[in-house]
Formats: sequence, C-alpha cells, structure tokens
Amino acid sequence: DAMVIQNPRYQVTQFGKPVTLSCSQTLNHNVMYWYQQKSSQAPKLLFHYYDKDFNNEADTPDNFQSRRPNTSFCFLDIRSPGLGDAAMYLCATSRITGVGNEQFFGPGTRLTVL
Amino acid sequence: RKEVEQDPGPFNVPEGATVAFNCTYSNSASQSFFWYRQDCRKEPKLLMSVYSSGNEDGRFTAQLNRASQYISLLIRDSKLSDSATYLCVANQGGKLIFGQGTELSVKP
Repeated sequence: DAMVIQNPRYQVTQFGKPVTLSCSQTLNHNVMYWYQQKSSQAPKLLFHYYDKDFNNEADTPDNFQSRRPNTSFCFLDIRSPGLGDAAMYLCATSRITGVGNEQFFGPGTRLTVL
Repeated sequence: RKEVEQDPGPFNVPEGATVAFNCTYSNSASQSFFWYRQDCRKEPKLLMSVYSSGNEDGRFTAQLNRASQYISLLIRDSKLSDSATYLCVANQGGKLIFGQGTELSVKP
C-alpha cells in the first residue's frame, strides 16, 4: 500500500544532542511537510518542500533544518534539542499545493528530550 | 483571534446520537477546507474534503457557509469507534491552518 513512513517512531535524545528524524513516501507526491505537534495543540507547520524547493515558515527556529535528497525521502534535523522541542513530529505529503492539496500524514515520531 | 477556531469539547455522547461540530475561520481567502480525525497519540487522518457548499460520506456530513465563514461536521448514528479528536483545517494558498480540535467521546 502507498504510504508515508516515519522512523523511528520513538526517539529519545539528550539536551543539546543532535537528532535526525526520517520520513519516506511511496505516494510519489511532490510536496513533503514537517509539522510539530505538542500535547493538546494543533499541528504547527515547520517547513515544506515542493520538489526541491524549500519553504521555511517565518517562526520556525534556526535549530530546525531539513533535507530532501530525493522525491521519496525527507529528513528533519534538530541541531541542539531543548526540553521545549519534545513533541510529536509529523511528516505529511501532498500531490500539489494550492486547492485540492489533501495532505496525508505519517504515523509520527515522538521525541523525548532528557 | 485564532485563524481557525473550534469548540474544544469534550463532547460526551451516547452511541447512536447525532453530534455536530462547529468551526469558524477568519481568513475569507481560504480556498478549501478539510476535516481530519486524530486518535490519541496517532497521526491525523483525512476524513473529508470540503470545496463548495458541503460534502457527505455515509454518516458524516460537512457544510460550508462562506458568507458566515463557518464550517460544520455532522456525525449521525455515533459509534464507539468515532471517539477521537476532530480537526477543522483551512487551506490558505496551499498552507493548512489547523484548528485546536474538538474531542468526541462516544459512550455505550
């Protein structure tokens, strides 16, 4: 089945220790997104790629970076995680942007920062 | 004022009940809307897309009123498995703006 896959599902890191979260998709969608979701809050968009074009949200901290080496894979790098970065990180994909861009989410990676 | 506002609930209803969620949005330029369902500690799953006045899929009906900037989701004949958080989402130029979600608990 076509899907969005995230690894690992659970990640524990230490304060300040870099961590990389992985997302892959078999949907062949052009657009890939990274969201941060904290408990009882709505998902917050960090950035997205339309093909190779990177689009950063204005309020995304510099601590968060992303890479998309090919259509299928996208990575979220947190350079120096703080306690406030503990959250669920959701990857999503859509075929296009604009009207009709239903987004399909992966299962998420739950990040714990010790 | 939040861009997409929902009643956070929780809504506690018995099985078989009809329940309606309301959502308002502030940006009249929003092009389309979605309802997502999110189970506890899981990812959001697309429930329904709303492009014109509304959409219906089985027990679920969404209605859009652009003049009032209001979207609703009606669930008929609630099942225990409908218990989840329902996220109202506005599409603004390709960017999805999520509401806080409305929690639904369906009891036997």
